[in-house]
Amino acid sequence: EAGVVQSPRYKIIEKKQPVAFWCNPISGHNTLYWYLQNLGQGPELLIRYENEEAVDDSQLPKDRFSAERLKGVDSTLKIQPAELGDSAVYLCASSTRLVGMDEQFFGPGTRLTVL
Amino acid sequence: LAKTTQPISMDSYEGQEVNITCSHNNIATNDYITWYQQFPSQGPRFIIQGYKTKVTNEVASLFIPADRKSSTLSLPRVSLSDTAVYYCLVGDGRDDKIIFGKGTRLHILP
Repeated sequence: EAGVVQSPRYKIIEKKQPVAFWCNPISGHNTLYWYLQNLGQGPELLIRYENEEAVDDSQLPKDRFSAERLKGVDSTLKIQPAELGDSAVYLCASSTRLVGMDEQFFGPGTRLTVL
Repeated sequence: LAKTTQPISMDSYEGQEVNITCSHNNIATNDYITWYQQFPSQGPRFIIQGYKTKVTNEVASLFIPADRKSSTLSLPRVSLSDTAVYYCLVGDGRDDKIIFGKGTRLHILP
């Protein structure tokens, strides 16, 4: 079974430029998460989708970040414009609803460097 | 919202049993306890989840005392490849925020 696919794996941009990350979750997983992870820190949730619906986007900086999950499958996270402080790893995860907390399956992440 | 507290780092030797304890004094009735492992340049990987008493799988055991205010992840006979960051999460997965915290950096020595 294929895991969570993310692209690109690495991205280097200059500040004020836009950037987009793509995620394809595990087939059949209706829940999709985007996380941000800074060096030495744990992942921080940005947004959680249940199918097409964003059920928790309270931590998403909506002035510059946006996300979509059309058709409830793959998802795109966008930053426009990027700032120096956005340099981090962006992780996507997916899950199916189980008893208790979901077992989340993570992709390898996209490492963003903003110059 | 139940917060967790873990040691920042731990060292152990190959072949030893490693126990990582997580404190969660404000755990709610519906909350589960979940542990993830993360290697460098990879996303976290689910290890184990439990609600009470003891849970064991092929990778680890999770011990939860009756008051559920703490839990202990036990890794039997660790190897160098168990060097990673281990995160303890508490929540019901529905209304709670998902918080990984800083985790515990486990370093296995030869």
